[in-house]
Amino acid sequence: QKEVEQNSGPLSVPEGAIASLNCTYSDRGSQSFFWYRQYSGKSPELIMSIYSNGDKEDGRFTAQLNKASQYVSLLIRDSQPSDSATYLCAVRAARGNNRLAFGKGNQVVVIP
Amino acid sequence: GAVVSQHPSWVICKSGTSVKIECRSLDFQATTMFWYRQFPKQSLMLMATSNEGSKATYEQGVEKDKFLINHASLTLSTLTVTSAHPEDSSFYICSATVVQNQPQHFGDGTRLSIL
Repeated sequence: QKEVEQNSGPLSVPEGAIASLNCTYSDRGSQSFFWYRQYSGKSPELIMSIYSNGDKEDGRFTAQLNKASQYVSLLIRDSQPSDSATYLCAVRAARGNNRLAFGKGNQVVVIP
Repeated sequence: GAVVSQHPSWVICKSGTSVKIECRSLDFQATTMFWYRQFPKQSLMLMATSNEGSKATYEQGVEKDKFLINHASLTLSTLTVTSAHPEDSSFYICSATVVQNQPQHFGDGTRLSIL
């Protein structure tokens, strides 16, 4: 079982719609969860962090965490063409040296 | 805040050359820095964790004698790819954290091409 799984294929959404991304993780003791956005040819940039169950909103982004189900999601409201990128889910290991495990990413394409 | 600078941005060199990549935390002290490698259309793969003043911890399958990591100060870590070969061509990215349990902030990455 992979540490972090993002199974959905490329996601195409019309401009203005909601993009929904999902991520599951295997380490039940994990406490820190992050979403990074990566444009093609660029390094990842942090867009959301979440540490407790429930929803966390920041602008057009909402992260949702359910530790019992080992599930974290990201919603992008009012999607814009500039949101077209690969979104990486990252989970910090429960023990150890602060390392992150990354999912393979979900590509989002916002269609004008 | 939490700016990480990585240099150089890209390198093209001949096979057998050794290449050094620098990662600096500009506005904070980073006890721990991380080095990742990313091949086209794949996710980030952690290569090693670098702690200031101690030996780096390498992930399974990463050759420590080929990928030399030095973390001499709280603001600088270096990765040296020794005797690079074409299969080492990749996008190398460093990251750092301000404090434990806080997000990692990434440098801009170094695109390495070995001819």
